[in-house]
Amino acid sequence: EAQVTQNPRYLITVTGKKLTVTCSQNMNHEYMSWYRQDPGLGLRQIYYSMNVEVTDKGDVPEGYKVSRKEKRNFPLILESPSPNQTSLYFCASSLIGRGSGPDTQYFGPGTRLTVL
Amino acid sequence: AQSVTQPDIHITVSEGASLELRCNYSYGATPYLFWYVQSPGQGLQLLLKYFSGDTLVQGIKGFEAEFKRSQSSFNLRKPSVHWSDAAEYFCAVHTGGFKTIFGAGTRLFVKA
Repeated sequence: EAQVTQNPRYLITVTGKKLTVTCSQNMNHEYMSWYRQDPGLGLRQIYYSMNVEVTDKGDVPEGYKVSRKEKRNFPLILESPSPNQTSLYFCASSLIGRGSGPDTQYFGPGTRLTVL
Repeated sequence: AQSVTQPDIHITVSEGASLELRCNYSYGATPYLFWYVQSPGQGLQLLLKYFSGDTLVQGIKGFEAEFKRSQSSFNLRKPSVHWSDAAEYFCAVHTGGFKTIFGAGTRLFVKA
């Protein structure tokens, strides 16, 4: 089954404790992206990757890191989480479409993160 | 800066009634436009997209959207709403590069 998986689905942590949220897709998509969803703000893009070893900042990259060492995986790293990073996080993947941007994005189920 | 506006935070319609969800974007050239739906507790799923050509696009679940360049709009419509359409709807734009901008979303409530 074609899918995007994220782990963990729920995470409660404390300020400053490094964490990684994994994302994996089995559709051989070039493009992958991380978003955070907050009430009233919709989805805001954190980082995206156009292919292996090629990543760039979205609109809200502060406090996050990513890497793309393999085509299928795109982990999101919070090196020193803070309470303002409490949010619902989504990973997405897609083929590169017209205009050299992402075509239809396929989303993972989300990771709900709480930072105390 | 590019932006996407969904003016309605929430909308309530009766089952069987028609629906229109508004989306306006700010971008100089023709953008690539998407509507996604998020059911409670789920990820997002594509309803439809517009890249070029016919400005009226058909999507899944009986939805359609019309691109109007003069109004910088891409409104989503459905002629007859079903209770299962209750969800949050997001308009999104990618502007020819790799960034994607989402609107804040419109939550649809359907009353019996």
